[in-house]
Amino acid sequence: DVKVTQSSRYLVKRTGEKVFLECVQDMDHENMFWYRQDPGLGLRLIYFSYDVKMKEKGDIPEGYSVSREKKERFSLILESASTNQTSMYLCASSPGQGAYYGYTFGSGTRLTVV
Amino acid sequence: QQPVQSPQAVILREGEDAVINCSSSKALYSVHWYRQKHGEAPVFLMILLKGGEQKGHEKISASFNEKKQQSSLYLTASQLSYSGTYFCGTEIIRRDDKIIFGKGTRLHILP
Repeated sequence: DVKVTQSSRYLVKRTGEKVFLECVQDMDHENMFWYRQDPGLGLRLIYFSYDVKMKEKGDIPEGYSVSREKKERFSLILESASTNQTSMYLCASSPGQGAYYGYTFGSGTRLTVV
Repeated sequence: QQPVQSPQAVILREGEDAVINCSSSKALYSVHWYRQKHGEAPVFLMILLKGGEQKGHEKISASFNEKKQQSSLYLTASQLSYSGTYFCGTEIIRRDDKIIFGKGTRLHILP
């Protein structure tokens, strides 16, 4: 089975802290994605990556950055956490453009910024 | 750009049918459907491509009308296990694998 593993299920951080959310996939997938999920808003794309060291902005990149140094690992960074970044963060991976298999999601990290 | 899903929520009794709609103001290359159970990750159900293809998955099927930029998900003879939130996602520029998701439709099946 394809597995996408997010390092933390729950995380509590203080305002202003630098926060790292880690995501690792074990199926040699080309593409990786970070979404945040908020009630009533669905899943919104933050950043994505088609290849190592590549990154593309999604719809809501402000306040976030990403790093992809290895194919299997895609990190989301909150440079200075704020309370409006309290959310569920979902990482996903897929085989590549034109694929027919959809995304595989991780279980999510529920981040609370106090 | 976010596709619009309707209804927002639906409650059914086991064995009844449901239809969930997804529409976009942009020309679509594909529509994806996912289901998310409470506290779990979204799970891929199916992808529909340009060409009005209809696909099926157990008792869950979907259609894609590219002229209307609409897709519908059909759940027939619903089972308790179908409860969850259904998301449609769309690719609008090309098959670039960048999916924009709708806000979701909450489906609750009663015994």
